[in-house]
This record gives sequence, structure tokens and C-alpha cells, in this order.
Amino acid sequence: QVQLVESGGGVVQPGGSLRLSCAASDFTFSTAFMHWVRQVPGKGLEWVAVIRHDGSSIYYADSVKGRFTISRDTSKNTLFLQMNSLRVDDTAVYYCAREGTGIHALDVWGQGTLVTVSS
Amino acid sequence: DIVMTQSPLSLPVTPGEPASISCGSSQSLLYSDGNNYLDWYVQKPGQSPQLLIYLGSNRASGVPDRFSGSGSGTDFTLKISSVEAEDVGVYYCMQALQARISFGQGTRLEIK
Repeated sequence: QVQLVESGGGVVQPGGSLRLSCAASDFTFSTAFMHWVRQVPGKGLEWVAVIRHDGSSIYYADSVKGRFTISRDTSKNTLFLQMNSLRVDDTAVYYCAREGTGIHALDVWGQGTLVTVSS
Repeated sequence: DIVMTQSPLSLPVTPGEPASISCGSSQSLLYSDGNNYLDWYVQKPGQSPQLLIYLGSNRASGVPDRFSGSGSGTDFTLKISSVEAEDVGVYYCMQALQARISFGQGTRLEIK
């Protein structure tokens, strides 16, 4: 069925880097806008970044701009989030989500991957 | 950036009773195509968020008809006509008018 599966989370020291992946299946990945959304455990949802279906437009939240990079590999149906210069306040569960065509809503979410930034 | 504000932040409800959550935006979400770019999500305990309502008032696939969304411009409401135990969770509104989307703080619905 339509599915998104994140991987790559873990524990990293402040200032370190991590690369998250999101594998998409059973839908046409090449036509979908894709987002990353994060959630500090016990807190609310925070949007992180979006990439258009063809990669032509990318936007970031101010909190991650200049440190995180969103990208996609259509040949592998995979979305990425490269996270550099990680800070303690980047600790969160990171979700990838699909923006449904024409509905301007996030209609498919992954299960999330936990990133912990700690010394 | 558009700021989203929800109320209440906590909502205790007796099963069978109705519930209502309000969401306000710092600028109008009504687009020139006539749609309000406002969505509702629920995050049930231990789960990922899931889409309930898109474009202000359209139920997502599989969403029970006890859920309804209304409003326009800057003021929106999610209503549950008769709350069931399975509706426990945190409800979020989200604006999709701008590419840099934003969420409300969340409303925690609990059963009395």
C-alpha cells in the first residue's frame, strides 16, 4: 500500500551531522511534493522543509535554514534530509509526508525516526 | 509567516457529546480559486499524524462523517458531532496557503 518509511535517525553530538532517508512506495513519487515535519517528544508539530516534485523549488523553516538540506532521488523513490551543525534543540521525531496532489494537505505520513542530539 | 492559533488547548469531552475546536490564522487562507487552504489532522497516542479534513471542509478518505470542518478567511472550526473513545488524541490545524506551511499548537481531546 501507499507507504513512507523513514530511516537514519540516531544519537549525535552537538555540531554533528546526520542524513535521514524516506523511502516511498506504491505511488508516483516523481509527481509528489514532499515535506519533512518534526516533533519534539511531547510537543507539537513543526514544519521543516518542502521540495517540489521536480526539485525546482525548496523552502525551509527559519530554524533549520543554512544547516539542513532537503533533496530527492526519483530513481530510488527516496527523499532525504541532510542535517548539519546539529543542535540540542533539533532533537525530535522527524516525519516525512506527501502532499496530496491538488488537495494542499499532507495525506501520507511516515512512522517517524528519532534524532537525539546530545553530548 | 502565517501564525496559527488554536483553542482550547485541552478539551475534555463525555462520549456521545459534541466537541468543537477553533483555529485562527494571522492572515486570510482564502485563495483566489475559492478554496481555504486550511487542513485538520489528528495524532492519536503513539501514532503519526493523519489527515482529517483538507481545504477547510473536505473529509479525507476513510474519515467518519461525524467529523466536519467549516470556516473561511481567518476563522475555522473542526466539529465532532458525537465523540467516541477512539477520537482521543491531539488535533492540529495547518495552513497550506504558503509554501512554508505552519501548524497550530494542537488541542488535546480527552475523554471524561
